[in-house]
Amino acid sequence: DTAVSQTPKYLVTQMGNDKSIKCEQNLGHDTMYWYKQDSKKFLKIMFSYNNKELIINETVPNRFSPKSPDKAHLNLHINSLELGDSAVYFCASKRQSGNTIYFGEGSWLTVV
Amino acid sequence: AQSVTQPDIHITVSEGASLELRCNYSYGATPYLFWYVQSPGQGLQLLLKYFSGDTLVQGIKGFEAEFKRSQSSFNLRKPSVHWSDAAEYFCAVGLYNQGGKLIFGQGTELSVKP
Repeated sequence: DTAVSQTPKYLVTQMGNDKSIKCEQNLGHDTMYWYKQDSKKFLKIMFSYNNKELIINETVPNRFSPKSPDKAHLNLHINSLELGDSAVYFCASKRQSGNTIYFGEGSWLTVV
Repeated sequence: AQSVTQPDIHITVSEGASLELRCNYSYGATPYLFWYVQSPGQGLQLLLKYFSGDTLVQGIKGFEAEFKRSQSSFNLRKPSVHWSDAAEYFCAVGLYNQGGKLIFGQGTELSVKP
């Protein structure tokens, strides 16, 4: 059983489309994250939720909107996709009182 | 500002040789430090972590890392590299006064020669 699972793993879509990436963790963690890995493999945090509440919102375009229906899920919705949104998006989670962050397998988004 | 630097973008070692990947951090408080590995087309796997205590920490796959406060370093080592160790390695510092987010270094790509 995958602890942090993301779907889809691969997504190819056209500019201007709206797409979502889903994330679920079965670790019982309270805190979830979205990270973006760009074409140079640089990893940067985008958002974090703790018990469904947004606690980190880095400088990310408004076209990106996270949604946490419950503390086991954190989805990422992207409107009006642009070429520069092509990247690998990683979901991650940890216990609120814990120090170790566990990552999903990543979602490879390609915008054409 | 907090930052993590991995000075080596790419390292090539022969199989069976020893390995050291460098990591330097900038952080005002006692850091939580991590090494993650990413194989091609795969996600991020935690190799090891340092929170406190013994400055030499052991991880999975035969890796170890040493925290040196005086040098602001957390270098990753392995005594004998296997071909399957070829991957991208990321050092990160955890900011637990900022929602627990990780600041990553640029990554070091490890190639292993037969």
